[in-house]
Amino acid sequence: EAGVTQFPSHSVIEKGQTVTLRCDPISGHDNLYWYRRVMGKEIKFLLHFVKESKQDESGMPNNRFLAERTGGTYSTLKVQPAELEDSGVYFCASSQVVLSSYNEQFFGPGTRLTVL
Amino acid sequence: RKEVEQDPGPFNVPEGATVAFNCTYSNSASQSFFWYRQDCRKEPKLLMSVYSSGNEDGRFTAQLNRASQYISLLIRDSKLSDSATYLCVVNIGTGRRALTFGSGTRLQVQP
Repeated sequence: EAGVTQFPSHSVIEKGQTVTLRCDPISGHDNLYWYRRVMGKEIKFLLHFVKESKQDESGMPNNRFLAERTGGTYSTLKVQPAELEDSGVYFCASSQVVLSSYNEQFFGPGTRLTVL
Repeated sequence: RKEVEQDPGPFNVPEGATVAFNCTYSNSASQSFFWYRQDCRKEPKLLMSVYSSGNEDGRFTAQLNRASQYISLLIRDSKLSDSATYLCVVNIGTGRRALTFGSGTRLQVQP
């Protein structure tokens, strides 16, 4: 079974440019999450989709970040305009919907974003 | 204060040694607890969930103390392949599925 995939693996852009990251969850996983790790810090939650709906976006840092999941399959995370402090590794994760208990989140390999 | 605190290490141990990692969390309402493993420049992978009664998986034993808000991971008979960063992870529950990560403890097992 294919795992979570992310594209691109690396992106180098200049401050003020726009970047779009893509995540394809494990097939059949309705839950999709975005996390990021900025330099020297711990991994932090950004937001959570259930199918195409944003369930929790409490971790989104500001309105320069826009996440979408049209059709409830893959998701994109757009940063516009990018700032230096946005540099880091952006992880996507997915999980099945299990109402009665917590279920494992499977992480993708991440997109390493460098803003110059 | 960080929500999940860990000693960053590194812990340098010889093969065959026993090593223990500790973690504390600040939110007493937290409901689910995990240890994830992350290899260099790779994604985090679930190592094991942590239960109040304690649980064991081969050479790995995890313990949770809710009263002290403390989680531990014990690795026995360390292997070279255990070298990685171990992340203490908490979920607050209450309908939210977001994971809160510690900054990780780096383990280096030496031959």
